[in-house]
Amino acid sequence: DTEVTQTPKHLVMGMTNKKSLKCEQHMGHRAMYWYKQKAKKPPELMFVYSYEKLSINESVPSRFSPECPNSSLLNLHLHALQPEDSALYLCASSQDPEGLAGYNEQFFGPGTRLTVL
Amino acid sequence: GQNIDQPTEMTATEGAIVQINCTYQTSGFNGLFWYQQHAGEAPTFLSYNVLDGLEEKGRFSSFLSRSKGYSYLLLKELQMKDSASYLCAVRPSTDSWGKLQFGAGTQVVVTP
Repeated sequence: DTEVTQTPKHLVMGMTNKKSLKCEQHMGHRAMYWYKQKAKKPPELMFVYSYEKLSINESVPSRFSPECPNSSLLNLHLHALQPEDSALYLCASSQDPEGLAGYNEQFFGPGTRLTVL
Repeated sequence: GQNIDQPTEMTATEGAIVQINCTYQTSGFNGLFWYQQHAGEAPTFLSYNVLDGLEEKGRFSSFLSRSKGYSYLLLKELQMKDSASYLCAVRPSTDSWGKLQFGAGTQVVVTP
């Protein structure tokens, strides 16, 4: 299994809703990432988990709350979002959190397209 | 600050060659990646350069010059399925192995 899966594919939510995005990989990767991508813009890193521990938070607002329940799963909990948070949310994983193994390229999931009304 | 530049869009005909340039100015350098992203799909890894020179992988080649802060992705024998966005991404330093700084992407349109 060489893919990263994300659910749901599409999500529409109101500003008072609470929802979660889910990401899963079964490649034995020990680093997992959340990115936000707006239309015609590059992906922007939000969070990095290394060995199930949060290692990088790129000053993301607290209305986004990541969680890594185990080495295969990554969640992003959403609460009180704003319309400007509408974007494609990409999850990625890579083999080696210390960057010692080969390219350590990131494998991306297909993303969740989020619309906040 | 970090700056990665690549052209917004390029158009080429089937069977032709297209070269996508990427220039970067980052605080440190520990490798450059090229990803392909079809509309509505995940970015997929194409190539990695950390030393100067050319890396060839079938129809795709990638070149790096660290002294010039420059890379290019060369796509040969273009096929319609190559129509996609191509993202240049730099890993700024060994201290931030997890961070990739992405360019805005180059939309390649292949015409019959």
